[in-house]
Amino acid sequence: GENVEQHPSTLSVQEGDSAVIKCTYSDSASNYFPWYKQELGKRPQLIIDIRSNVGEKKDQRIAVTLNKTAKHFSLHITETQPEDSAVYFCAATAAGNMLTFGGGTRLMVKP
Amino acid sequence: DGGITQSPKYLFRKEGQNVTLSCEQNLNHDAMYWYRQDPGQGLRLIYYSQIVNDFQKGDIAEGYSVSREKKESFPLTVTSAQKNPTAFYLCASSMVGGITGELFFGEGSRLTVL
Repeated sequence: GENVEQHPSTLSVQEGDSAVIKCTYSDSASNYFPWYKQELGKRPQLIIDIRSNVGEKKDQRIAVTLNKTAKHFSLHITETQPEDSAVYFCAATAAGNMLTFGGGTRLMVKP
Repeated sequence: DGGITQSPKYLFRKEGQNVTLSCEQNLNHDAMYWYRQDPGQGLRLIYYSQIVNDFQKGDIAEGYSVSREKKESFPLTVTSAQKNPTAFYLCASSMVGGITGELFFGEGSRLTVL
């Protein structure tokens, strides 16, 4: 089955700096890669996703890149703000299968 | 107000007791899921259901049971056979199963075994 590794487990940045979270996956058949954000005490929510037919997707200050050859994908947050502080989860799946989540990254943005 | 509702938010149980966590959705979603969240381990799938009266085991189904008698409801029972039940449990739903679309999560239920 699929195995998703996520790094780092914690990340502290200064407000305004960029943050990068990386994930690797094991199943070359995986073709859908979502990212979820979970603020403290709240439910996880989808923030961005990418499918295997594209290499990059951007939505305002967040972007995701995908390298199918190396089987890794990354979340990039630019101009970080205190409200970006949360736990971020990556996930991967092949069509017809269930999502496999990474272990999560706790991002702390210091004002 | 559409969404997915879990109850109770906090639950304490003694060892040897079964407990049932409720999950209700009014999004008209076909698929529903139960995840367990432990620190540093992400979200692990316990059970999922893609249609009423049908459900499948996820990666960590041992010690848990579910039912799907109504489209809106997917309760999870944590049985006494679950060796380490203290955790945060998240219910989710999606429009269709075989996920390549958005998961909508509830706010979670925190179970503590005393």
